[in-house]
Amino acid sequence: DQQVKQNSPSLSVQEGRISILNCDYTNSMFDYFLWYKKYPAEGPTFLISISSIKDKNEDGRFTVFLNKSAKHLSLHIVPSQPGDSAVYFCAASAMHTGNQFYFGTGTSLTVIP
Amino acid sequence: DAGVIQSPRHEVTEMGQEVTLRCKPISGHNSLFWYRQTMMRGLELLIYFNNNVPIDDSGMPEDRFSAKMPNASFSTLKIQPSEPRDSAVYFCASSFLSADTQYFGPGTRLTVL
Repeated sequence: DQQVKQNSPSLSVQEGRISILNCDYTNSMFDYFLWYKKYPAEGPTFLISISSIKDKNEDGRFTVFLNKSAKHLSLHIVPSQPGDSAVYFCAASAMHTGNQFYFGTGTSLTVIP
Repeated sequence: DAGVIQSPRHEVTEMGQEVTLRCKPISGHNSLFWYRQTMMRGLELLIYFNNNVPIDDSGMPEDRFSAKMPNASFSTLKIQPSEPRDSAVYFCASSFLSADTQYFGPGTRLTVL
């Protein structure tokens, strides 16, 4: 069964507005979370991560929020740019045990100029 | 560094044929991962190696799939015999340690007719 879920297959946002991508997980042992970005015909590339000891991590226009009680994380992109159009994958692992990463099914973001 | 290198980038074959996908990880990385991307399950881990040793192959769908890592700079994923349902994009990724951020190759798009 999917331990990491991205329930929105796609999202469209106007340029300059905020994009919010959501991710839910089921395993309470997960303590490290990442977002990857994937352009067509390329492999996923690391975007931003967060450890379970934090509830927010920010890197430029990208911010990841973690709600451990709800087993939910989100990626905020502000302001959204056309170049942000890509598929975004959420991933989680139980890092302290060196476990593998579990990926979601991805959300395709389209930023409309 | 050239990043993770995968070959071929595209493979079209007929059902029943043997398919071999190749991967060269980033030099110095100790962990290597093989993933399959599908619409239904997103990025699905097939197998991963630490220091050339297979650690977890529970994601390998059937005995038709096998993977080897004869040395630190090369790995293969073999499907024999191939079936149309194996059609997908296969990614190889590497990391310094198994719990570290993974760096993905560009993927091999496999089509089995």
